[in-house]
Amino acid sequence: AIRMTQSPSSLSASTGDRVTITCRASQGISSYLAWYQQKPGKAPKLLIYAASTLQSGVPSRFSGSGSGTDFTLTISCLQSEDFATYYCQQYYSFPTFGQGTTVEIK
Amino acid sequence: VQLLESGGGLEQPGGSLIISCAASGFTFSSFAMNWVRQAPGKGLEWVAGISGGGGNTYYADSVKGRFTISRDNSESTLYLQMSSLGAEDTAVYYCAKPRGYCSGSNCYWDFDYWGQGTLVAVSS
Repeated sequence: AIRMTQSPSSLSASTGDRVTITCRASQGISSYLAWYQQKPGKAPKLLIYAASTLQSGVPSRFSGSGSGTDFTLTISCLQSEDFATYYCQQYYSFPTFGQGTTVEIK
Repeated sequence: VQLLESGGGLEQPGGSLIISCAASGFTFSSFAMNWVRQAPGKGLEWVAGISGGGGNTYYADSVKGRFTISRDNSESTLYLQMSSLGAEDTAVYYCAKPRGYCSGSNCYWDFDYWGQGTLVAVSS
């Protein structure tokens, strides 16, 4: 199975900050990469697919980039509702997820 | 699109349980469906998937031979039959509708809709 490694595991940030989360695949996955946001007690929400395509309804402050093995999720101006855990997922083969990155209030 | 899981609960080690997911708001039979789980305080793990017609099923190695995914398209319902349950199966189980497709023996699935989850706890 393809292993997905996210960094950092957690970060502290303030409203208005620019935040970047990275995700590395154990082998090349082209652009078969999705990002999800999950809040406590809730189901994950798809933010980005195909590494950089914003899911309908997702604010434009979220963006994704990368291909092959290295990917990033950027939140350009952190809002209060963005404090959550973020997961990457590859779908080049059967789905595997990163371990998650928790964005906490500084 | 709405996905509503049910059937979770407390089960003893070695026991069996069937959970369900009632779907609405889309043509259920036209889409593959999946189960994804999340152990308490842990990350997400894909469990199983099934094609729209039900003829093809796919499993994570961790559940292969113990879990069976199935669907009733006439009732727009997805099932997961779980047997030989162990503590490691304790998790919230989500049904998830994939956005992608399958080609040959591989499936390219990310997930655009998720249910609210149902908790399966395995403990004596």
